Amino acid sequence: DIQMTQSPSSLPASLGDRVTITCRASQDIGNYLRWFQQKPGKSPRLMIYGATNLAAGVPSRFSGSRSGSDYSLTINSLESEDMAIYYCLQHNEYPFTFGSGTKLEIK
Amino acid sequence: EVKLVESGGGLVQPGRSLKLSCAASGFSFNDYWMGWVRQAPGKGLEWIGEINQDSSTINYTPSLKDKFTISRDNAQNTLYLQMSKLGSEDTAIYYCARAKFLYWGQGVMVTVSS
Repeated sequence: DIQMTQSPSSLPASLGDRVTITCRASQDIGNYLRWFQQKPGKSPRLMIYGATNLAAGVPSRFSGSRSGSDYSLTINSLESEDMAIYYCLQHNEYPFTFGSGTKLEIK
Repeated sequence: EVKLVESGGGLVQPGRSLKLSCAASGFSFNDYWMGWVRQAPGKGLEWIGEINQDSSTINYTPSLKDKFTISRDNAQNTLYLQMSKLGSEDTAIYYCARAKFLYWGQGVMVTVSS
């Protein structure tokens, strides 16, 4: 199985900060990488697909990037509504695998 | 509007079986792969598996392959998850999702306990 190593597990940040979350794939997954946001008691929401593409309705302060086997989600100018847990998912190869999650919280 | 509504959850005793349903509406159900994801209390997301449009291809995460069965009824626009030999480790919220995870249901809670 492909392992997705996500870091950090917790990320205290202040409103207005720029933050980056990273997932490292244990094998090549191409750009078959998605990012999800999950708020307490809610279903996950797709934020980024194809590693770099913004899903419909997602604010432009969110962006995705790739450097080799490292995939990153960056949020510019953090807003209070962005406080949530973020997960990456590789869907290049079965079984699909999620990262362990990053809890973004107010410092 | 795309809607996915799970049902069938609840409290079940260890070793028993349970079948979840996911009713789909707002899109052409038989045009899409469908899948299941679960989340244990306070834990991360775990991909369970997915099924293609005509049920000819079903993929599972290996650790659940012998316990869980995914199926669908395109005439009823419904996805199913049959779970057997349930243990406490299967206590989780179970989500159905349309292919590529753009759309998710609200989730249904399954609690395995005596």
